[in-house]
Amino acid sequence: DTGVSQDPRHKITKRGQNVTFRCDPISEHNRLYWYRQTLGQGPEFLTYFQNEAQLEKSRLLSDRFSAERPKGSFSTLEIQRTEQGDSAMYLCASSFIRNTEAFFGQGTRLTVV
Amino acid sequence: AQRVTQPEKLLSVFKGAPVELKCNYSYSGSPELFWYVQYSRQRLQLLLRHISRESIKGFTADLNKGETSFHLKKPFAQEEDSAMYYCALSGRETSGSRLTFGEGTQLTVNP
Repeated sequence: DTGVSQDPRHKITKRGQNVTFRCDPISEHNRLYWYRQTLGQGPEFLTYFQNEAQLEKSRLLSDRFSAERPKGSFSTLEIQRTEQGDSAMYLCASSFIRNTEAFFGQGTRLTVV
Repeated sequence: AQRVTQPEKLLSVFKGAPVELKCNYSYSGSPELFWYVQYSRQRLQLLLRHISRESIKGFTADLNKGETSFHLKKPFAQEEDSAMYYCALSGRETSGSRLTFGEGTQLTVNP
């Protein structure tokens, strides 16, 4: 499968624990996006990278959230001190710089108990 | 600010009937509009984009800047069209071409 892949697919964690998700974009894509989707809502933008540079962060991304893309390839999204409100589907997408078509991964479903 | 509104959360039609999924947007600059679809247990995927002016799987959508709408239409719905549909906007003036999504419309096509 040469599409965007995310790991893990599901994560259940206790409130207060830290979690980290990984996204492997399509290899030729320069841009990588993170979105969050809660039940009954469309995806909401969190942050994006162009190569290894994080160029924009949404106000939804509190200081408990951090994202990295160290070598301009895969990316990680870490949530520290998880709260029940963090329970959601976390989606990763990638695209070429000059093409606005974004390709999505299957997402990581986080449940905070 | 960018905003996308899909007024219908649920839409149910019979096979062979026409279907229209509504989408309205708010954006002060030059928007690029998309329809994404998510079939059961599959990832979100692009259905069509307004700049392509294509018909994909029989679906079409026309950007109406006067009414700020981008409704998705199909003259004869099929059972395999049952899915969640999201309208999305990317502002050309917005860095990174990030997408703003509507809340989605769950389309059910009954036999």
